[in-house]
Amino acid sequence: ETGVTQSPTHLIKTRGQQVTLRCSSQSGHNTVSWYQQALGQGPQFIFQYYREEENGRGNFPPRFSGLQFPNYSSELNVNALELDDSALYLCASSRGRAGNIQYFGAGTRLSVL
Amino acid sequence: DAKTTQPPSMDCAEGRAANLPCNHSTISGNEYVYWYRQIHSQGPQYIIHGLKNNETNEMASLIITEDRKSSTLILPHATLRDTAVYYCIVRANNAGNMLTFGGGTRLMVKP
Repeated sequence: ETGVTQSPTHLIKTRGQQVTLRCSSQSGHNTVSWYQQALGQGPQFIFQYYREEENGRGNFPPRFSGLQFPNYSSELNVNALELDDSALYLCASSRGRAGNIQYFGAGTRLSVL
Repeated sequence: DAKTTQPPSMDCAEGRAANLPCNHSTISGNEYVYWYRQIHSQGPQYIIHGLKNNETNEMASLIITEDRKSSTLILPHATLRDTAVYYCIVRANNAGNMLTFGGGTRLMVKP
């Protein structure tokens, strides 16, 4: 157990809808990163939040956005869902902005129909 | 971050050592080698990391060649629960916490 919890575990949405995924980081960690993992592939970095500010972003469109709260928990929001957004969404927490071990949650499985 | 190359799959007999290779021939001097694994339907799990010296912890050993162009993750006594996809990642520790995952090695531990 990493102490990183994600909710919900599974979610089904239809194309065009919006979705919010949530992540509680491990105690003492102030950085949260989000990854998307399509079936059969490795996780792809979406973005990282450090002390409530975005601190690095991967190659994802602006309809992927996030928030980090004062307690360092985080949300990932995806607008205008597309079929290709169907994936496992992983949250990872770490201590500090760079150079630290990331601890992952179990993920949220999103299916877009 | 430097690119890594891993075999797509490997088998190992239960109780034997599993040796998982990784090639990172373009690694820079400030880049560390990290290993994570992902058991089916779970999030990736940190195993070990190192810069140039060999490292050992309760899960595994990491052997890095002297030129740092390749490394080997060793699970000394593989069990069925070690069946997973193993990812070798190189990352500079001043470049954020982002991890760049490749395809990994699917390790199958067989009875």
